[in-house]
Amino acid sequence: GAGVSQSPSNKVTEKGKDVELRCDPISGHTALYWYRQRLGQGLEFLIYFQGNSAPDKSGLPSDRFSAERTGESVSTLTIQRTQQEDSAVYLCASSSSGGRDTQYFGPGTRLTVL
Amino acid sequence: AQSVTQPDIHITVSEGASLELRCNYSYGATPYLFWYVQSPGQGLQLLLKYFSGDTLVQGIKGFEAEFKRSQSSFNLRKPSVHWSDAAEYFCAVGPLSGGYNKLIFGAGTRLAVHP
Repeated sequence: GAGVSQSPSNKVTEKGKDVELRCDPISGHTALYWYRQRLGQGLEFLIYFQGNSAPDKSGLPSDRFSAERTGESVSTLTIQRTQQEDSAVYLCASSSSGGRDTQYFGPGTRLTVL
Repeated sequence: AQSVTQPDIHITVSEGASLELRCNYSYGATPYLFWYVQSPGQGLQLLLKYFSGDTLVQGIKGFEAEFKRSQSSFNLRKPSVHWSDAAEYFCAVGPLSGGYNKLIFGAGTRLAVHP
């Protein structure tokens, strides 16, 4: 596609429910990143995928968070048993390869946990 | 600890005025530096980046930034602001050697432009 897309754009859920966020990277981009942006704060790195290599999960805040990516395609970020502190904008970015290539960001998913 | 500080949370300027957004970083090695802009409802867009060479970097939309190693700063400037520049601006650092762009972002500066 022309850019990184994410769905849904907004998600409201109740505390304790599971949510799944989707990211479609730019076609051909092998590297994919997830970030979290809390209100009034900068982006926090969550996880990085590069091709078929093992992902870097070092930024995931708890074991309630997980992400998957099949090959170089769509990625899903899953948050289990959501908590109010999970409320944030979740941003996905892709780049043509790993290393220091420019990251292109999607519009984000705004998650609100009631 | 690695961190990025953007001291100004909000800045308001008049259209046509000059602009400088501050960014200071703390990083163990020589960093790779970025400025991104985020307009409402849109993803982040890269304005410019620096990793070596001339310390004055030109970016898109008439923006430039200057890397000052002695001050650990990478301030963003524009000589004449347009109303369309109203947005949130983020400074970020990443590893220069090895690895990939596990970026560390500042909290952002929200720019408002008065007509």
